[in-house]
Amino acid sequence: EPEVTQTPSHQVTQMGQEVILRCVPISNHLYFYWYRQILGQKVEFLVSFYNNEISEKSEIFDDQFSVERPDGSNFTLKIRSTKLEDSAMYFCASSYKGGKGETQYFGPGTRLLVL
Amino acid sequence: GNSVTQMEGPVTLSEEAFLTINCTYTATGYPSLFWYVQYPGEGLQLLLKATKADDKGSNKGFEATYRKETTSFHLEKGSVQVSDSAVYFCALSDWYGSEKLVFGKGMKLTVNP
Repeated sequence: EPEVTQTPSHQVTQMGQEVILRCVPISNHLYFYWYRQILGQKVEFLVSFYNNEISEKSEIFDDQFSVERPDGSNFTLKIRSTKLEDSAMYFCASSYKGGKGETQYFGPGTRLLVL
Repeated sequence: GNSVTQMEGPVTLSEEAFLTINCTYTATGYPSLFWYVQYPGEGLQLLLKATKADDKGSNKGFEATYRKETTSFHLEKGSVQVSDSAVYFCALSDWYGSEKLVFGKGMKLTVNP
């Protein structure tokens, strides 16, 4: 069964450094998402991406964050200058269609620790 | 705004016990409702969903019914197994034109033999 993959599984970085989290969505999916979960808190939506542009973003997704689909298979989340509070589990997801009833398929997550 | 409130746990049950995980929601529109499950070391997987009132989602012995009058989507299973040990998340998506999922906090379930 096709699945979403994410790399790396764990990343440790120093505050102020740039990180890039990578995701390979399911190959025929058209909608892509990033979520994050700070330890002990809810899974929170960051951004959705369709047709090579951001379709929606949350208040969390400020100028320090960016997303890109650099080729036909990868979907990346860049954090330009990491802060301690960016430490979280980051989940990538994809879906074939958009819309409120559609199933999103999640990757296993990247655990980011900012020191 | 939209929100999901679910039982927090952690919860420990014995094998073959009955499971209920409560989930209630607040939404400005007419949401679709989901239960996702996360097994250790894996991503979130869709367990079941319902898109309109009185729909029942079911999968792997789990069931949940969309109750608009009580704004609830409680997850039930009649007889849990050790392999059901996981974290369970209730979620909703609300607006046409917005795909984002709004999640509850998740509940960790451990089933002992």
